[in-house]
Amino acid sequence: DAGITQSPRHKVTETGTPVTLRCHQTENHRYMYWYRQDPGHGLRLIHYSYGVKDTDKGEVSDGYSVSRSKTEDFLLTLESATSSQTSVYFCAISLQGPMNTEAFFGQGTRLTVV
Amino acid sequence: TQLLEQSPQFLSIQEGENLTVYCNSSSVFSSLQWYRQEPGEGPVLLVTVVTGGEVKKLKRLTFQFGDARKDSSLHITAAQTGDTGLYLCAGGETSGSRLTFGEGTQLTVNP
Repeated sequence: DAGITQSPRHKVTETGTPVTLRCHQTENHRYMYWYRQDPGHGLRLIHYSYGVKDTDKGEVSDGYSVSRSKTEDFLLTLESATSSQTSVYFCAISLQGPMNTEAFFGQGTRLTVV
Repeated sequence: TQLLEQSPQFLSIQEGENLTVYCNSSSVFSSLQWYRQEPGEGPVLLVTVVTGGEVKKLKRLTFQFGDARKDSSLHITAAQTGDTGLYLCAGGETSGSRLTFGEGTQLTVNP
C-alpha cells in the first residue's frame, strides 16, 4: 500500500455540474499526477504537479483544472461535467519524477456523467 | 506528446505457452516502465529500464529496452493463469516530468 487515497471511489453526476475528485497521499512525494483511463486509450495524463502550487497540463487537460495547496492533496475539478468525461480517473505519485522512481497509483475513481 | 503503441491489444493463450508484448515509438524516451493492472485496481510497476539495450529478468518475465531507446518488449515464459491482466508500457519523456502510457495489452491465460 503506497499511502494513496482517492475519493470518492464512485460518483454519478449530471451533465453541467462541477465535480471535484480528491487525491491524498501520506508519502510526502513531490510529484502527483491525474490520469484518465478509457478503453483503447490506455492512461492519458490530464494534469500533474511538481510541488505545492506548481502544476502543469497534460495531453487531455481541456475541461479540467487542478489545485495543490498542500503536499499531500491534489484536487481535480471538472468545471462543467460532460458525458465525454465519463471515465476511470487515477491519481499517481512519485518521489523524484517518473523517469527516476516508481509511480504509485491509487485505486481509481469511476465517474459517470449522465 | 510522445506516443507509445502497444501490440497486440488482446492476447489469449493457454497455460504453459510463451508470449511477447511489444511497445514501440518513433520518439526517444529517457526510461521505459512496464506496469501490470488488475480489474478495479491501479497499475503496479513491474520494472524500469533506462539504458539502451538493457535486459532485465523478473522470474519468468524478461524485459528489453531497444538500443535506440524507442521500443521495448516484455516476454513471458511458460505463462500461468496468475499472469492474466492488463500490461501497460510507459515512457519517461526526455523533455520533462511526464510519463506517457501505451494503450495496454489485455492478456488472458487459460487453464
